[in-house]
Amino acid sequence: DQQVKQNSPSLSVQEGRISILNCDYTNSMFDYFLWYKKYPAEGPTFLISISSIKDKNEDGRFTVFLNKSAKHLSLHIVPSQPGDSAVYFCAASVVSSNTGKLIFGQGTTLQVKP
Amino acid sequence: EPEVTQTPSHQVTQMGQEVILRCVPISNHLYFYWYRQILGQKVEFLVSFYNNEISEKSEIFDDQFSVERPDGSNFTLKIRSTKLEDSAMYFCASSDGGSQETQYFGPGTRLLVL
Repeated sequence: DQQVKQNSPSLSVQEGRISILNCDYTNSMFDYFLWYKKYPAEGPTFLISISSIKDKNEDGRFTVFLNKSAKHLSLHIVPSQPGDSAVYFCAASVVSSNTGKLIFGQGTTLQVKP
Repeated sequence: EPEVTQTPSHQVTQMGQEVILRCVPISNHLYFYWYRQILGQKVEFLVSFYNNEISEKSEIFDDQFSVERPDGSNFTLKIRSTKLEDSAMYFCASSDGGSQETQYFGPGTRLLVL
């Protein structure tokens, strides 16, 4: 039951360039989306979120875009830095459930080369 | 900055034994969660907990699992009779609201069932 999919297991970019991580979802009930970053031996760390009433949310170098009709979201990191190298998970939830349950994608490993 | 803590960081147990994983959520948070990540797989929701009761649980969270908030600071996950397939990284998370509130994750407990 892969309701949230990250089809690229890995991505490698040069320092200073843009990193684009993609995520697709199938459940049309999802209305809140988040990106988490995870380093080895640590828990996921919240990066940025977006509600389905918006199509873009920006926080510093991180921007999340949401295309509801395509059931697709993406995370843009500009400029990419070597410290951004980590596994990135997108996650989705149904706000009206009010349980906070997050459904995660499989993750994309980002490597930013100096 | 407040953070979620988890103990132990690693636990090795024999199949059939009971384990208790402990978490100290962020102090003013009211919503608590357990997730797990089997090696190489995605982070999976196990259970959400609010107001001293389970608000949602996944199909993974069967009768072998239980959660408890024994005092004002701890949140525990008990597995009564561990199976080999329970080997995973278990993450606790907390938030100060339900949906649309950021969940903050602990560093995880790596459970190995032999």
